[in-house]
Amino acid sequence: AQSVTQPDIHITVSEGASLELRCNYSYGATPYLFWYVQSPGQGLQLLLKYFSGDTLVQGIKGFEAEFKRSQSSFNLRKPSVHWSDAAEYYCAVGAGSARQLTFGSGTQLTVLP
Amino acid sequence: EADIYQTPRYLVIGTGKKITLECSQTMGHDKMYWYQQDPGMELHLIHYSYGVNSTEKGDLSSESTVSRIRTEHFPLTLESARPSHTSQYLCASSGTGGQGEQYFGPGTRLTVT
Repeated sequence: AQSVTQPDIHITVSEGASLELRCNYSYGATPYLFWYVQSPGQGLQLLLKYFSGDTLVQGIKGFEAEFKRSQSSFNLRKPSVHWSDAAEYYCAVGAGSARQLTFGSGTQLTVLP
Repeated sequence: EADIYQTPRYLVIGTGKKITLECSQTMGHDKMYWYQQDPGMELHLIHYSYGVNSTEKGDLSSESTVSRIRTEHFPLTLESARPSHTSQYLCASSGTGGQGEQYFGPGTRLTVT
């Protein structure tokens, strides 16, 4: 069975600082990996996805993520955080269009002025 | 514009009432999902459907029921609401053309008094 671990429950960064959110997955075959963002009281918005090819993927809002098979990781990064990035971030793993997604427990990001 | 809609956004209702949460999508997706999410917590899949007249229960046991009579419509019903049903309910959809990514509606915040 597939699983996702987000080790950091809560991260606080200053505006303008760089950001890295960690995600580790467990899956027997080549995973399909996703990052979502959720603002308070809202649904989830897809930031980026990976399923093959270049291991560094670019997403919306200036986010990127790097797939590292040897470490079973798919960490999310942003060079310079904006106050509007404060939200809950979820990593998810799937097995392609025919399967369900498994979500991590989320990382709450706080951005200090 | 293709999108996924949920109504109502907020609902406060008394114990014992029957409620239906609406979810519709104009994205042409065949798969639809219902998740339950308590504040600041992870998502739990409660129902999913891979097409018309196909519905399955998810990982989290729920007293709710769903139907899928039309491709674009996936309502969730609670026959007799209880305070333990107080939560946020998120609807999502995905298509066969992607890599399994799901697109989410804005959610319904349900409070049962």
